[in-house]
Amino acid sequence: NAGVTQTPKFQVLKTGQSMTLQCAQDMNHNSMYWYRQDPGMGLRLIYYSASEGTTDKGEVPNGYNVSRLNKREFSLRLESAAPSQTSVYFCASSDSGSVTRFYEQYFGPGTRLTVT
Amino acid sequence: AQRVTQPEKLLSVFKGAPVELKCNYSYSGSPELFWYVQYSRQRLQLLLRHISRESIKGFTADLNKGETSFHLKKPFAQEEDSAMYYCALSGSWGKLQFGAGTQVVVTP
Repeated sequence: NAGVTQTPKFQVLKTGQSMTLQCAQDMNHNSMYWYRQDPGMGLRLIYYSASEGTTDKGEVPNGYNVSRLNKREFSLRLESAAPSQTSVYFCASSDSGSVTRFYEQYFGPGTRLTVT
Repeated sequence: AQRVTQPEKLLSVFKGAPVELKCNYSYSGSPELFWYVQYSRQRLQLLLRHISRESIKGFTADLNKGETSFHLKKPFAQEEDSAMYYCALSGSWGKLQFGAGTQVVVTP
């Protein structure tokens, strides 16, 4: 099993450009998440999908959109990239449900994005 | 409001010395807490969760509800413990609130 995969690994964008970060998991997990990691701030939740067909905002959703394409795939889109979106982006998946908060999250390898 | 605080950005210890990483939280309900670790060039991975009350790689963490803390401890640090450690609090649907992280450097 590959676990959680992310593409691309690295990306450089110019301000105003758009792009989509792809994430897929092969563990049959219901929940998927997008985080960004910035120095001194830890990881912050951008969007999550509790189950196939649902998505919801996290702590820092502005400037991003997501699509839960099916149970396996959860993509993150930057419509008009800004330098403040320079970060490392992590996708994660879990079996967590509304009352089961103790399940482990499995993380992808990350995408390092630079916006100039 | 839900919050996780890791006061130390960097912890430098000698091999064989004890290491303690501090984590304090604020949460209105019953907390579910985790420690995640990121070794160099590896993925973020779960180290331990408070509900399991287990020791992983020699690390333990005790939930102290009175002090709202979940400090991570190891009695004898090893060089392979050098990594970034994150304390995390789980909310509804498993959403994680992370602390800012503590970089641990173990020197021989």
